[in-house]
Amino acid sequence: DIQMTQSPSSVSVSVRDRVTITCRASQSIRNYVNWYQHKPGKAPKLLIFAASSLQSGVPLRFSGSGSGTDFTLTISSLQPEDFATYYCQQTYNTPYSFGQGTKLEIK
Amino acid sequence: QVQLVQSGAEVKKPGASVKVSCKASGYTFINYGISWVRQAPGQGLEWMGWISVYKGDTHYAQKLQGRVTMTTDKSTSTAYMELRSLRSDDTAVYYCARDQDYGSGRLDYWGQGTLVTVSS
Repeated sequence: DIQMTQSPSSVSVSVRDRVTITCRASQSIRNYVNWYQHKPGKAPKLLIFAASSLQSGVPLRFSGSGSGTDFTLTISSLQPEDFATYYCQQTYNTPYSFGQGTKLEIK
Repeated sequence: QVQLVQSGAEVKKPGASVKVSCKASGYTFINYGISWVRQAPGQGLEWMGWISVYKGDTHYAQKLQGRVTMTTDKSTSTAYMELRSLRSDDTAVYYCARDQDYGSGRLDYWGQGTLVTVSS
């Protein structure tokens, strides 16, 4: 099975900060990565698919990049509603594994 | 608008079975698949498997093989996930999510989640 390792596991940030979350795959997965935002008690929300494609309706401050084994989710200017946990997911091979999550906390 | 509405919370004893439903609306049900994902308390997301609504093809996570069955009812646009021989570590919030028909893993709409508690 492919392992997805996210870093950091948590980070304290402020509104208007630029935030970068990384995800490393245990083998090359081309661009088969999605990113999700998850708030407590809510359903996860798809932000980015195929490593860099913005899902419809998602604000432009979110962007994704990477290919092969290393991937990045960037939030260019953090907004109050962005405090959540973020997960990467590989869809190269089943089981479609997720990273362990990165929790954004208020500084 | 696309909506996936799941059944309510369940409490089950170890060894029992649970069947969670997921009613879809706002899109053509047979044109997409449904994936199931769960989240145990304090843990991350775990992909459980996928079903093609049109063909009925399924693909389950190896660790759940033999205990999980995913089905759909096209007449009511409802997907079901049954998990048998429940153990305490099956306690989790279970989500259904819309996937592509071929099971791409791109989950663009999600249900609200169903809490399943396994406790004696």
